[in-house]
Amino acid sequence: EPEVTQTPSHQVTQMGQEVILRCVPISNHLYFYWYRQILGQKVEFLVSFYNNEISEKSEIFDDQFSVERPDGSNFTLKIRSTKLEDSAMYFCASMPRGGGYYGYTFGSGTRLTVV
Amino acid sequence: KNEVEQSPQNLTAQEGEFITINCSYSVGISALHWLQQHPGGGIVSLFMLSSGKKKHGRLIATINIQEKHSSLHITASHPRDSAVYICAVSGNTDKLIFGTGTRLQVFP
Repeated sequence: EPEVTQTPSHQVTQMGQEVILRCVPISNHLYFYWYRQILGQKVEFLVSFYNNEISEKSEIFDDQFSVERPDGSNFTLKIRSTKLEDSAMYFCASMPRGGGYYGYTFGSGTRLTVV
Repeated sequence: KNEVEQSPQNLTAQEGEFITINCSYSVGISALHWLQQHPGGGIVSLFMLSSGKKKHGRLIATINIQEKHSSLHITASHPRDSAVYICAVSGNTDKLIFGTGTRLQVFP
């Protein structure tokens, strides 16, 4: 069964450093997303991406965040200058046109720890 | 007030029991999603539905659009069903608004 692949599974970084979280969505999916889950809290929407541009972003997704689909397969989330409060599990997801049967397919997540 | 409310927050069951998890939402939706999150953190989509009922194995999801309510049922529960079950909705855009989840533990 096709998967959404995220790397790394766990990243520890110092406050103020830049991090890039990587995702390989399912190849025939058209819609791509980043969500995050702070420990003990519910999952929150960050950004959606379609046709090589951001289609929607949340208030969380400020100027410190950016997304790219640099080569038509990878989908990356960059945090320019990490803060302690950026520590969370970050999920990439993708969806085919029309949603398919299940809608979203999520990656297994990247746990980001900012120290 | 949360746009998506789930009940109960925690649920314990004996193996074999029939389980129901409820979800209520206060916004207009295009679809409702049931998701499963295992202790390692990964999220798996179980169902996406906009009306009626869907069944997959021992899992059944129903939705009542008029009452803004959905239920997830697990028949013949098993310890491997232990996980957090999350209800999420999408409205006029496809972003998901998540509930806080229901933590289910099934004991042998």
